[in-house]
Amino acid sequence: AQSVTQLGSHVSVSEGALVLLRCNYSSSVPPYLFWYVQYPNQGLQLLLKYTTGATLVKGINGFEAEFKKSETSFHLTKPSAHMSDAAEYFCAARGDDKIIFGKGTRLHILP
Amino acid sequence: EPEVTQTPSHQVTQMGQEVILRCVPISNHLYFYWYRQILGQKVEFLVSFYNNEISEKSEIFDDQFSVERPDGSNFTLKIRSTKLEDSAMYFCASSSQGARTGELFFGEGSRLTVL
Repeated sequence: AQSVTQLGSHVSVSEGALVLLRCNYSSSVPPYLFWYVQYPNQGLQLLLKYTTGATLVKGINGFEAEFKKSETSFHLTKPSAHMSDAAEYFCAARGDDKIIFGKGTRLHILP
Repeated sequence: EPEVTQTPSHQVTQMGQEVILRCVPISNHLYFYWYRQILGQKVEFLVSFYNNEISEKSEIFDDQFSVERPDGSNFTLKIRSTKLEDSAMYFCASSSQGARTGELFFGEGSRLTVL
């Protein structure tokens, strides 16, 4: 069975600092992995996805994630945080004909 | 840019009442999904729908829930007799290729409050 684990339900970083949100997955099939962002009172927006090919995936708003099979990880990073990045971030993995979400990490940006 | 739209954005209902949440998927998509998010918790899969039938459903999707694509454009989620614990944000999603290979596009959600 597929599962997604996000370490840290809340992460705080200073504006301009590195953002690192951690995600580990388990999957019995080659994984497709996703990061979604949810801004306050809004829906889920796809940040980036890994399916096949290059393991470093670039997404919108300066975010990127690296698929590491040996570590079963798909951590999300951004070199320099901006106040507008404050949101909930969900790591997700495909599971048969659905996407399975992690519990989410709320990112707080400190001025 | 095409998008998934959901109505209503917020519905308040009394316990025991029937609720219908509506979704208009992206027009050329063939795979449809409902997810829910109880406040402060994870986004949970409810049901997937393809070729006019349910492909998969979770244990949450019990007999109180049903889905329908009545007219080829709308995709609805019906809760027959709402319970307090049904209060949540419900997200509709659609996909052209399904989750096995493609991306799911989510609507902005319908917030259901059961009193």
